[in-house]
Amino acid sequence: DAGVIQSPRHEVTEMGQEVTLRCKPISGHNSLFWYRQTMMRGLELLIYFNNNVPIDDSGMPEDRFSAKMPNASFSTLKIQPSEPRDSAVYFCASSLGSGGRGPYNEQFFGPGTRLTVL
Amino acid sequence: GQQVMQIPQYQHVQEGEDFTTYCNSSTTLSNIQWYKQRPGGHPVFLIQLVKSGEVKKQKRLTFQFGEAKKNSSLHITATQTTDVGTYFCAAMDSSYKLIFGSGTRLLVRP
Repeated sequence: DAGVIQSPRHEVTEMGQEVTLRCKPISGHNSLFWYRQTMMRGLELLIYFNNNVPIDDSGMPEDRFSAKMPNASFSTLKIQPSEPRDSAVYFCASSLGSGGRGPYNEQFFGPGTRLTVL
Repeated sequence: GQQVMQIPQYQHVQEGEDFTTYCNSSTTLSNIQWYKQRPGGHPVFLIQLVKSGEVKKQKRLTFQFGEAKKNSSLHITATQTTDVGTYFCAAMDSSYKLIFGSGTRLLVRP
């Protein structure tokens, strides 16, 4: 299994530009999570999906952030317009289980996208 | 909401010394997970603890869940340079989201 796949691995953009991060979860996993990691705030959950449906987006910073999961094998996180304070590493993770319930709810993280907004 | 406090923030040890990181919550936890993130890498699942007082071992790593299920610890015996990284505990809140602790960064002097 290839694991969770994220693209791009690195993104450098200018303030005001639209940024789209992509994630392919592990096949068969039905929960998908988007995290943001910074030195100041640590690892923060932005949003998670269960069976392609957004369950909790309370961690999404503001309306500039949006996430979609059109099918079980693909999700996007979009920032429009981007700001320098959005600079961070964005991780996608997937797990097997209904919203993370049950004993088999370890999360498998992708390699992350390092975003720099100038 | 659910918060998980993790200490210490950093630990710098000589290779061969032991290391312990602690995770504490003000509320009872249903379970707790531990992850390791190598420098420049991504978090990798280590273990999950579910039962009160549970102790699990993985080679030199010992994981413990408190009797009241409000705290947990990870102990590494005789650290090696390969243990370098940040160790996170993560607890599941009432809506089944994982809430991560702030992590303990372990540095090992060879």
